[in-house]
Amino acid sequence: ETGVTQTPRHLVMGMTNKKSLKCEQHLGHNAMYWYKQSAKKPLELMFVYNFKEQTENNSVPSRFSPECPNSSHLFLHLHTLQPEDSALYLCASSRGTGAPSTLNSGNTIYFGEGSWLTVV
Amino acid sequence: AQKVTQAQTEISVVEKEDVTLDCVYETRDTTYYLFWYKQPPSGELVFLIRRNSFDEQNEISGRYSWNFQKSTSSFNFTITASQVVDSAVYFCALSDPDQTGANNLFFGTGTRLTVIP
Repeated sequence: ETGVTQTPRHLVMGMTNKKSLKCEQHLGHNAMYWYKQSAKKPLELMFVYNFKEQTENNSVPSRFSPECPNSSHLFLHLHTLQPEDSALYLCASSRGTGAPSTLNSGNTIYFGEGSWLTVV
Repeated sequence: AQKVTQAQTEISVVEKEDVTLDCVYETRDTTYYLFWYKQPPSGELVFLIRRNSFDEQNEISGRYSWNFQKSTSSFNFTITASQVVDSAVYFCALSDPDQTGANNLFFGTGTRLTVIP
């Protein structure tokens, strides 16, 4: 069983809808991430949060709005999306955002199962 | 710029065969980290291994082994005696602490491995 859970697993929404993706991690980590996986494209980092503070926004359009109320929960609010935004959205977490240690699992990133989003 | 290339889009092998998944990376930094993740049909990315750029020792974990060659910028992954449960998409990834942050992973496009019973 994964330590990072995402809901819903599947979402179909119209271009004028507002919906949210939810992520929860049960690993005691402090950093959380949103990644986007589109067909035939490499996974792309979208946002990074460390101790609830956003530390990275990888030039993501404003129709994607993240929210991190605490270190265990991360949301991705979706508004007026486009069909090309259809993808698998993966949440991830790690102990911190520093360099992974060679002595222990360090800051290795652990992923959830993803939320399959289809925009119609 | 950082880049990860997985030239093999899809590979099919018969059960019990050995298979090697190739990964070639590009980075200007001397300190970096390399990763392999497995993505089964459920979608979750499962962490397999992390290596840092200063440790070129090859690693073996059960049926899995990794060959890190800095001279050719490669970090290949071999599955010995493949099993049907190994069928998945495998991603190689690079992080570059000095340029973009230790946990900004640059992923390859993945290799879909199908193990035929």
